[in-house]
Order: sequence, then C-alpha cells, then structure tokens
Amino acid sequence: AQSVTQPDIHITVSEGASLELRCNYSYGATPYLFWYVQSPGQGLQLLLKYFSGDTLVQGIKGFEAEFKRSQSSFNLRKPSVHWSDAAEYFCAVVFYSSASKIIFGSGTRLSIRP
Amino acid sequence: GAVVSQHPSWVICKSGTSVKIECRSLDFQATTMFWYRQFPKQSLMLMATSNEGSKATYEQGVEKDKFLINHASLTLSTLTVTSAHPEDSSFYICSASGLAGGTYEQYFGPGTRLTVT
Repeated sequence: AQSVTQPDIHITVSEGASLELRCNYSYGATPYLFWYVQSPGQGLQLLLKYFSGDTLVQGIKGFEAEFKRSQSSFNLRKPSVHWSDAAEYFCAVVFYSSASKIIFGSGTRLSIRP
Repeated sequence: GAVVSQHPSWVICKSGTSVKIECRSLDFQATTMFWYRQFPKQSLMLMATSNEGSKATYEQGVEKDKFLINHASLTLSTLTVTSAHPEDSSFYICSASGLAGGTYEQYFGPGTRLTVT
C-alpha cells in the first residue's frame, strides 16, 4: 500500500543545534517528495521538493533533504536551528498512480529550546 | 511560484446553513484542484480531487452530498459545505496542480478557517 510516515510526533532541540526530521514512504517506485512547514494558524510553505536527479536537495531557510532510495526515506535536515523554526513540518508525497494527489504525513511538531 | 487564493480566509456560520469557499489559481492554469481539511493539531486529509469540467472524485469517507465541489474553469474551484454542523468546523485548504515549465507543480492556498456555531 502507498503511504508516508513521519515517525516523530514531537521533537525539541536547542537553538543552534542540528536538526533531522524523518520521513519514510512505501511505494514501488520513486514518488515526488516534498517538505512543507506550517506555523500555527497559517497555510503551508514549501521548503523543498525532489523529483529526480541529485539526491541532496537544497531548500529555503537553510533546510536540505536527502533522498535515499534504499531506505525509502527523505529526511529533512538543518545544521543550526533558530527559534523561528518552531512549527509543524509535513513530509508529503505524490504517487504517480494516484492522479497526482499529494498525500501528507502525520507531521512533526518542532519546538526550540532557548 | 504561482499564487493560489482562497476566499474567505475565515468564516463563522450557524448550524444548518451552507458555506461556499472559493479557490482561485491567479496565474496558473490548474488542470486539477484538490481540497483538504485539517483539524487542530492534525495533518491535512485529502477530501477530493477535481478536474476542470468533470465531477470531483471523493476520498473514502467523505460525503459528496455534503461537500459539493465545482471546478468550472481552469482557475476556479469551489467547495460548498451544505447544512453545516459544528463538527464541520475545520481548516480547509485547496491546492492547484498542473505542468509548469515542464515539471509537475502544486501550489497551496492559504486556507479557510470555518467555524460552525
């Protein structure tokens, strides 16, 4: 079955520390992969996306993500977080066979410790 | 990137009334539009997929007679919540997708917060 999983519901990191948010998918091929961020009461902002090519993708706000086919993963990273990064992060995928529907993971809430 | 707008951005209505939410693709011809709902502290759940000029395809568990979707043009889709009840209170987000510059793109609207009293 096609699915996307974010195993971490809530993560707290110290300001200035590095961050990695996990995302795994289940699919027989490589889907389109996205990371979005949502601040409370706000809409979604696209951080980065992967369709093909270089498996290390650079995004906005200093974020990057690496696609690993062998692990069916697309983890989001940032070397040094800022207090303004506190938000909800969603991994999302488009499975080719699903009429281009974006399916969202359950989300990871990021808190920043001063 | 393209801009997708939603109107209204928030709405309060009484139980039993109907509410229409508009989703417009301002500079992008969207062959497909999607409607999502998001409950507080939860993820986005896809409600339906609509293609311009055809009937919407609803996800399992979504009542098509309650959530009426119309996609009359490549730039406009509407979601009407009929006979709204408090449990319909949610954040509704639309997105528009299509090919732009040879690649697949999908753009999200800012969302509409519906409160049913």
